[in-house]
Amino acid sequence: DADVTQTPRNRITKTGKRIMLECSQTKGHDRMYWYRQDPGLGLRLIYYSFDVKDINKGEISDGYSVSRQAQAKFSLSLESAIPNQTALYFCAVGENTEAFFGQGTRLTVV
Amino acid sequence: GQSLEQPSEVTAVEGAIVQINCTYQTSGFYGLSWYQQHDGGAPTFLSYNALDGLEETGRFSSFLSRSDSYGYLLLQELQMKDSASYFCAVKDYGQNFVFGPGTRLSVLP
Repeated sequence: DADVTQTPRNRITKTGKRIMLECSQTKGHDRMYWYRQDPGLGLRLIYYSFDVKDINKGEISDGYSVSRQAQAKFSLSLESAIPNQTALYFCAVGENTEAFFGQGTRLTVV
Repeated sequence: GQSLEQPSEVTAVEGAIVQINCTYQTSGFYGLSWYQQHDGGAPTFLSYNALDGLEETGRFSSFLSRSDSYGYLLLQELQMKDSASYFCAVKDYGQNFVFGPGTRLSVLP
C-alpha cells in the first residue's frame, strides 16, 4: 500500500461546483501539505497542517479550504471551482528533511 | 518574498555529466533538497543538504553553499531513465518546503 494516498486520481468538474480532494497517510507524521503544480511554476503551497488543531495558509490559499479530520487525513476543498484551478494537486507528508508525495489528483474545471 | 531559480531545461547525452543549479532567496533556511519527477508521476526525494559541501549518493551528488545561497545537483553517467524534471526545494523557518520551478532534463542516446 502507498504511504500517501490521494483520491480521486482524476476529476473533471464544472465551474461553480464544490469539490473535495482527499489525502490519507500511513506514515504517522504530523506535518501534511497540499501543493498545486502548474507547468513551469513548480509546486506551490496551498495549505499546511502540523497537527489536527493546526491549519495554516500557504502561498496560494485563496479559493481553497482544508480540513484535518485526523492525524492521517487532510482534505482540500474548492468551494466554487473555476477554470484557472485546473491543475495537478499533490498532498505531501513531511518528515524532518524530506517530503513524501501522493500520486496526485489531476483536476480539470470546465 | 521567497524565490528559487533553476534553468528551465537541460539536455545531455547518455553517459555524460550534467549539473543543475539552484539559487534561492527565502525567509529562513534549514536546508536544500532535490526531487525528481517523471512525467505523470509524483516528486520523489533525492537528497538533502543542511551544511556546506558535497553529498554523494551513487550517481547523484548535491552541493550547497549557504553563503552564496546556491546549490547544485550533479548527475553522472547519465542514463535514459534520468530524463525527468528536477526540483530544488528549501526548508524554511516555517518548516515548509518551498519548491523551485523545476528543470526538465532530456537525456539523448
